[in-house]
Amino acid sequence: KAGVTQTPRYLIKTRGQQVTLSCSPISGHRSVSWYQQTPGQGLQFLFEYFSETQRNKGNFPGRFSGRQFSNSRSEMNVSTLELGDSALYLCASSLDGRGNYGYTFGSGTRLTVV
Amino acid sequence: DQQVKQNSPSLSVQEGRISILNCDYTNSMFDYFLWYKKYPAEGPTFLISISSIKDKNEDGRFTVFLNKSAKHLSLHIVPSQPGDSAVYFCAGVDSNYQLIWGAGTKLIIKP
Repeated sequence: KAGVTQTPRYLIKTRGQQVTLSCSPISGHRSVSWYQQTPGQGLQFLFEYFSETQRNKGNFPGRFSGRQFSNSRSEMNVSTLELGDSALYLCASSLDGRGNYGYTFGSGTRLTVV
Repeated sequence: DQQVKQNSPSLSVQEGRISILNCDYTNSMFDYFLWYKKYPAEGPTFLISISSIKDKNEDGRFTVFLNKSAKHLSLHIVPSQPGDSAVYFCAGVDSNYQLIWGAGTKLIIKP
């Protein structure tokens, strides 16, 4: 079965622009979580969606937002980009968002803000 | 406030020997703990999980032990293979479905 698909793989944007990243979970998975990975900071939780509802949100400013569609695909949007937003953005899908089934990660979107 | 800590940034182990990766946590409300392996420029790969009501879970070469009184878990890899060289993350899943990650331990398997 297909894994978690994130598009695009690479992205270069300038400060002040906005960006939308896409994540298609494994078929049948209803939970999608988003993470930001930067060197030295590890994986930082952004938010988690389940059945089109945001269930939890990490400590990121309101410039970071997301949504989930009825087919479980999710998008993440970052507005007014800052240099510090340069990072690898990962999404993970799971059946129910609990730990027993684990989470499957996509390969990520590498965002560079210049 | 780091709720999940991996105090060893790196670990070097001889091929064929046992690798033991450690993780400590402060939040007693985690429902599950997960271990992931990560290669550079790739997303993390799920390895094994353990419920907070268990003290051991085994899957092939991977075994995770949970000591709730010490708030400590460990991942044992036996025998270690060159392909095991990667960064290993432990994570706790809280009641809000949020994964709280450790900083990772880089495992190097020496031939």
